[in-house]
Amino acid sequence: DQQVKQNSPSLSVQEGRISILNCDYTNSMFDYFLWYKKYPAEGPTFLISISSIKDKNEDGRFTVFLNKSAKHLSLHIVPSQPGDSAVYFCAASGTYKYIFGTGTRLKVLA
Amino acid sequence: NAGVTQTPKFQVLKTGQSMTLQCAQDMNHNSMYWYRQDPGMGLRLIYYSASEGTTDKGEVPNGYNVSRLNKREFSLRLESAAPSQTSVYFCASSPGGTDHGYTFGSGTRLTVV
Repeated sequence: DQQVKQNSPSLSVQEGRISILNCDYTNSMFDYFLWYKKYPAEGPTFLISISSIKDKNEDGRFTVFLNKSAKHLSLHIVPSQPGDSAVYFCAASGTYKYIFGTGTRLKVLA
Repeated sequence: NAGVTQTPKFQVLKTGQSMTLQCAQDMNHNSMYWYRQDPGMGLRLIYYSASEGTTDKGEVPNGYNVSRLNKREFSLRLESAAPSQTSVYFCASSPGGTDHGYTFGSGTRLTVV
C-alpha cells in the first residue's frame, strides 16, 4: 500500500512559467514533509521541507504548500528554469524514517 | 568533501553470487539508511539504523542483511543475488529524528544476470 503518492509521472513546462508538482499521502500521523530533487546518475538532494504545523514554506523560487485536511502537498517552482529539469520526490516522515513517493520527472523547455 | 560515500559505483553479479555494498559518512550523523530505486517504484527503504548498534527492517528487506559497523559505516549485503535485486542502491544519513533531511550518496548501480 503506497502511503505517499505522486500521481503524475512526468510534467513539461515552458521556461519562465510555474511548475506545480503534487503529492498525496494517506497517513494522518505524518508530521514532516520534504521534497528532493534528483539528477541522473546522482543521489537525491534535499530541496525544501515543511512541518505539519505550517501550511506554507518558501525558499527562493521554491514554495511548498501543505493541506492537511486533504492530505496533499505541492511544490511550486517560479519561474521554472531549464536547470530545474530533474526527478522530484516528495517524502513524509514516519517513525525514524521517511517514506518516499514514486517521483515526478519535470522537464523545463527552453 | 563532507558527505556520504558509496562503493562500488557499478557492479555486475551472476545469480547466486554474494556481495557487500559499502557506505560511509563523515558528518557524525546518528542515523543511516539503505534505499533502492526502481523505475515506477520510487525510493523504497530496505533497512535503516536509527543509531549505532541498532538496525531495523524497512519496506523491502527480504534478500538483504546489514551491518552498522560503527557510527560512520553501514554496509548492505546480498547473500545470494537474484535478478529481482537489479536496481540502483542509495545510502543516506541524517542527524536523527524526522525533522532533518537526509544526505544521500551517489548510488551503486547493481545488475544481476
